[in-house]
Amino acid sequence: NAGVMQNPRHLVRRRGQEARLRCSPMKGHSHVYWYRQLPEEGLKFMVYLQKENIIDESGMPKERFSAEFPKEGPSILRIQQVVRGDSAAYFCASSRQGASNTGELFFGEGSRLTVL
Amino acid sequence: AQSVTQPDIHITVSEGASLELRCNYSYGATPYLFWYVQSPGQGLQLLLKYFSGDTLVQGIKGFEAEFKRSQSSFNLRKPSVHWSDAAEYFCAVVLPYGNEKLTFGTGTRLTIIP
Repeated sequence: NAGVMQNPRHLVRRRGQEARLRCSPMKGHSHVYWYRQLPEEGLKFMVYLQKENIIDESGMPKERFSAEFPKEGPSILRIQQVVRGDSAAYFCASSRQGASNTGELFFGEGSRLTVL
Repeated sequence: AQSVTQPDIHITVSEGASLELRCNYSYGATPYLFWYVQSPGQGLQLLLKYFSGDTLVQGIKGFEAEFKRSQSSFNLRKPSVHWSDAAEYFCAVVLPYGNEKLTFGTGTRLTIIP
């Protein structure tokens, strides 16, 4: 059973370009979470999705950032017009029943975005 | 305000020595509590979790944690550390049947010296 798969592992973009980060949850998991980790900091919640629905996006910046989890295919975190401050590691996690139910999230290895 | 605090940013211990990493939380209700470990360049792996019941929880890799309600703490311990334990350790909380936000502390970096 494959774990949470994220790609690309590393992404370099110039200011103003778009970044797309993909996350395939574990088989049977319908809950997906995106977290951002800045250097020397902990993980900050960004968004929580279930299939085709955004449940909680309270941690997402209001502009330039969007997320989706379509019926078919991976979840995608999209950052438009990237700026240097977007440089971070972005982690996806999935869960079968939700963090507050079973408690365990399974994390991918992260996508590390560098904005030049 | 709701928060989870890891007061130690960096801890260095000798291989074979005992370890305790501190975690305190501030929530209106007792949350579910977790410890995750992150090796350099990797994702996070769950070490152990506490929902209810026995306040001493056993995890993987020889780790344990004790929930103390009176101190709002959930400290991680290991009797004898190995060089492979060098990593970043994160305490995390979520409210039971709450809003699904797993909130992380800022982490404690563990360095092991020979």
